[in-house]
Amino acid sequence: GQQLNQSPQSMFIQEGEDVSMNCTSSSIFNTWLWYKQDPGEGPVLLIALYKAGELTSNGRLTAQFGITRKDSFLNISASIPSDVGIYFCAGQVGNFNKFYFGSGTKLNVKP
Amino acid sequence: DVKVTQSSRYLVKRTGEKVFLECVQDMDHENMFWYRQDPGLGLRLIYFSYDVKMKEKGDIPEGYSVSREKKERFSLILESASTNQTSMYLCASSQGSGEKLFFGSGTQLSVL
Repeated sequence: GQQLNQSPQSMFIQEGEDVSMNCTSSSIFNTWLWYKQDPGEGPVLLIALYKAGELTSNGRLTAQFGITRKDSFLNISASIPSDVGIYFCAGQVGNFNKFYFGSGTKLNVKP
Repeated sequence: DVKVTQSSRYLVKRTGEKVFLECVQDMDHENMFWYRQDPGLGLRLIYFSYDVKMKEKGDIPEGYSVSREKKERFSLILESASTNQTSMYLCASSQGSGEKLFFGSGTQLSVL
């Protein structure tokens, strides 16, 4: 299947700091989705991106669809303790809405 | 609000048992999916369906089957559960190709 490289694998930050994570691939994607997952729960959709270069915000979260269509970035500004969790990217290629997922970035926020 | 409901949060089954995992969505979505999630392996697609009675194999279909008799319901079946099928199972749905994918809360299955 397609390979999505997500980095970093984990982050330890202080409350109030900004956070950046990204996903890259050797393949071109049509759609990028970003999710947050809490322990024992299903992933919750944060942001959806549909066009190369698109920049979309959801509160303190901002994500971008890379110009080459092979990457995407998620930024969280002014982190708070409830931002703790695992963040996943997902990229869609081809038909039938088949998505491929990054391995996740585990975010820890120290109050 | 979009809702994908998985019938059980936790299940414990014995090796060799037949296991049914049920998923219902209330958004009239065309597409439904079953993933499993394992530490270090991420989410892997087992099966998906793009219409009633239609199904397509994902990346790891071995040992699983699915049923979609009604648009809102997608069932995952483990014909004879094995210990290597212990995992978190996630159901998802979406309206069309490339559209947002919405997940249920997951079923943590343990096969003893």
